[in-house]
Amino acid sequence: EIVLTQSPGTLSLSPGEGATLSCRASQSVDSNYLAWYQQRPGQAPRLLIYGASSRATGIPDRFSGSGSGTEFTLTITRLEPDDFAVYYCQQYASPLTFGGGTKVDIK
Amino acid sequence: VQLQESGPGLVKPSETLSLKCSVSGGSISGYYWTWIRQSPGKGLEWIGYIYYGDTTTYNPSVRGRATISVDTSKNDFSLKLSSVTAADTAVYFCARLNVAGKDRGFDSWGQGALVTVSS
Repeated sequence: EIVLTQSPGTLSLSPGEGATLSCRASQSVDSNYLAWYQQRPGQAPRLLIYGASSRATGIPDRFSGSGSGTEFTLTITRLEPDDFAVYYCQQYASPLTFGGGTKVDIK
Repeated sequence: VQLQESGPGLVKPSETLSLKCSVSGGSISGYYWTWIRQSPGKGLEWIGYIYYGDTTTYNPSVRGRATISVDTSKNDFSLKLSSVTAADTAVYFCARLNVAGKDRGFDSWGQGALVTVSS
């Protein structure tokens, strides 16, 4: 099983600042099968990034993904109030796994 | 496409949890139809998925207890999880996994259904 470790666990930032979230895999992940999700309180997750670096439909260009192999990054520029949420990375080699999440909260 | 979970919100220990996911606005053919759960205050756990009506894959953590099936005539799919314990208390999401083309990943989700295991 591929274990995805996200860091930091919590990121405290102010609106307008930028955020860099890390996802490290225990073994190499095909970039085509690495995705990022945003989950706001009380809501289902929402697909942000697929294929490690492609934005999903309707996702603003403030969100970007990068990385390959075992190291992946989600970058959010100019944080807006709706961006304060929990972010998960996910890979779908079998078995499919999610990272433990990074919470971005308001400083 | 819209997904909607339904089923009992309370299940007794040792009994079977049953949930249904109704799919509207699109066909149930050609995607991986998935169940994911989230224990209170915790992260996301993939339970399993079904593809093309009869090919299923489960998380080893629930293998042997979980059964996912699809009813193409009703455009819905279901989860049964047997021998539940308090550790199975969670919000259960159904989701569509898209593995080809644009928006690869879980591109559609239900709103989630809270299932509590308690006597």
